[in-house]
Amino acid sequence: GENVGLHLPTLSVQEGDNSIINCAYSNSASDYFIWYKQESGKGPQFIIDIRSNMDKRQGQRVTVLLNKTVKHLSLQIAATQPGDSAVYFCAENSANSKLTFGKGITLSVRP
Amino acid sequence: NAGVMQNPRHLVRRRGQEARLRCSPMKGHSHVYWYRQLPEEGLKFMVYLQKENIIDESGMPKERFSAEFPKEGPSILRIQQVVRGDSAAYFCASSPPFSGGDNEQFFGPGTRLTVL
Repeated sequence: GENVGLHLPTLSVQEGDNSIINCAYSNSASDYFIWYKQESGKGPQFIIDIRSNMDKRQGQRVTVLLNKTVKHLSLQIAATQPGDSAVYFCAENSANSKLTFGKGITLSVRP
Repeated sequence: NAGVMQNPRHLVRRRGQEARLRCSPMKGHSHVYWYRQLPEEGLKFMVYLQKENIIDESGMPKERFSAEFPKEGPSILRIQQVVRGDSAAYFCASSPPFSGGDNEQFFGPGTRLTVL
């Protein structure tokens, strides 16, 4: 079946370094992708999104890259800070509106 | 402008009891989604509702689970005769009426259901 999955379960980075979180998806019909951040005990928080007619979108300290050829999505966080420590999920959205989430990757920032 | 609100935040039930989870969407949002999250897993879609209508319930178990979003008041996710496997975090999200195809969903803080 269709699925959205993440390559690595955990990622540990040094404070100040850049972080790259990767995600693979398999539903070629998906046209909208979102990255969410979830802190312990809280709901997912929107970080950045991208539509399928784009291959790159930048926000404040974050960049999302979309490679439709290989069905790959990545989130880049510049100058990672302790407050970035959380679980990150990629999600895809197709025509019927429901979000399909990946399993999540834990980002741990070392001081 | 308050975000998505859910209550209760924590709910403990014994096997066989009923659980009622409430969700108030953001102001101006007419679409509500319910998701379930098991420990260390991603969120799984359950149901998508608009006012007084269930649009997609493909992720909802056929038995014991029901959802509604009445004309007035919050959306309710109801679980009858709960079992231990129902223990999870239940998240509600809302979105405004669609425009242009994007569907940014805003999530509430979740209700953590524990079944003893």
